[in-house]
Amino acid sequence: GQQVMQIPQYQHVQEGEDFTTYCNSSTTLSNIQWYKQRPGGHPVFLIQLVKSGEVKKQKRLTFQFGEAKKNSSLHITATQTTDVGTYFCAGSNYKLTFGKGTLLTVNP
Amino acid sequence: KAGVTQTPRYLIKTRGQQVTLSCSPISGHRSVSWYQQTPGQGLQFLFEYFSETQRNKGNFPGRFSGRQFSNSRSEMNVSTLELGDSALYLCASSFTGLAGGPNTGELFFGEGSRLTVL
Repeated sequence: GQQVMQIPQYQHVQEGEDFTTYCNSSTTLSNIQWYKQRPGGHPVFLIQLVKSGEVKKQKRLTFQFGEAKKNSSLHITATQTTDVGTYFCAGSNYKLTFGKGTLLTVNP
Repeated sequence: KAGVTQTPRYLIKTRGQQVTLSCSPISGHRSVSWYQQTPGQGLQFLFEYFSETQRNKGNFPGRFSGRQFSNSRSEMNVSTLELGDSALYLCASSFTGLAGGPNTGELFFGEGSRLTVL
């Protein structure tokens, strides 16, 4: 079945450092979604990527979808304490499959 | 516009009991999907309902069941509870649902029901 792997599982950074999480699918995806879950909260939709090689930016967040539509990344520039949380990717083919997430902690 | 509402927010049960969780989706959303979240396992898909029909199902035992009503509200039931069922159960509503392909819509999650089984 479709599998979505996400690395790293945990990432601790100093405030101001950059952060990247990677998502890889065992199958070609139709699209990929990214969600953020704050500690004690619920997942909140960030963005959806559909096109091969697509790059989208939201302020300090940059999302990429690979050329083969099997991988994606989320990069945060100059992390802030408000970026703390777990970032999930979710790949869609015949169904939506979530990665296990990357927990980001930020030391002020 | 009201968000996704899940009840109850917290509950404690003992092994062997059963539990029913409720989810009211965003008005106009016909798809409701359920996820189990545990530390280290991420979001495990349980099932999706669309217009009262189960459209997708994850790899959970038959003790886990659900249904959707004509007003799109959904319930999930877990019978014969086990210790390993302790988790946060999240409901998500969507306009297009988990149809797959480019039509997969954004999911709006509720705050979850945290179940503890003793």
